[in-house]
Amino acid sequence: QVQLTESGPGLVHPSETLSLTCTVSGFSLTGYSVYWVRQPSGKGLEWMGRMRYNGDTSYNSALKSRLSISRDTSKNQVFLKMNSLQTDDTGTYYCTRDLGDWGQGVMVTVSS
Amino acid sequence: DVVLTQTPVSLLISLGGQASISCRSSQSLVHSNGNTYLHWYLQKPGQSPQLLIYQVSNRFSGIPDRFSGSGSGTDFTLKISRVEPEDLGVYYCLQRTHNPNTFGAGTKLELK
Repeated sequence: QVQLTESGPGLVHPSETLSLTCTVSGFSLTGYSVYWVRQPSGKGLEWMGRMRYNGDTSYNSALKSRLSISRDTSKNQVFLKMNSLQTDDTGTYYCTRDLGDWGQGVMVTVSS
Repeated sequence: DVVLTQTPVSLLISLGGQASISCRSSQSLVHSNGNTYLHWYLQKPGQSPQLLIYQVSNRFSGIPDRFSGSGSGTDFTLKISRVEPEDLGVYYCLQRTHNPNTFGAGTKLELK
């Protein structure tokens, strides 16, 4: 059974770095791509970036300068790091396998 | 980046009625391989998005045939027939033809 679970701090201070982990089971990271999508509170979905099955990455051009996605295939984990966080980065962050299967999401609040 | 314009922003439908949602792209979504990567999602209140339709007109596993997708090039439509209470929520289109991938702003389906 395919599962994706996001984890990370619920609260981040402005200007700090957000680190999230997506732990997957039921499939291999070398066979499927994992995407990060976020949803600012009360707003729509925003495609953030992607870790392809072959290790290549793509990023939303609006976030590219402060976003990094990496992985550890031995641990079945994909990581998101985004720096210089501001209050409008508050929202729910999802990881998804090929945009078909989704995790439950993790809520991140940016506040001092 | 490709801009997807969804209309209407919200839709009031009676139970058993039919809903139609449009998604227009700022550029053709036909990939160089000939496929068109336009997908539709439903996000029910408090839940992660779920994939309904992939590549314009293919229903994802478990999606009832009340949901149908059509279109080509830059113009796409999602139709929901015989609307049921579990169909309520926000519908999003997503294009995966071009990098970065982009979502439409969403269409909220509510009961009349």
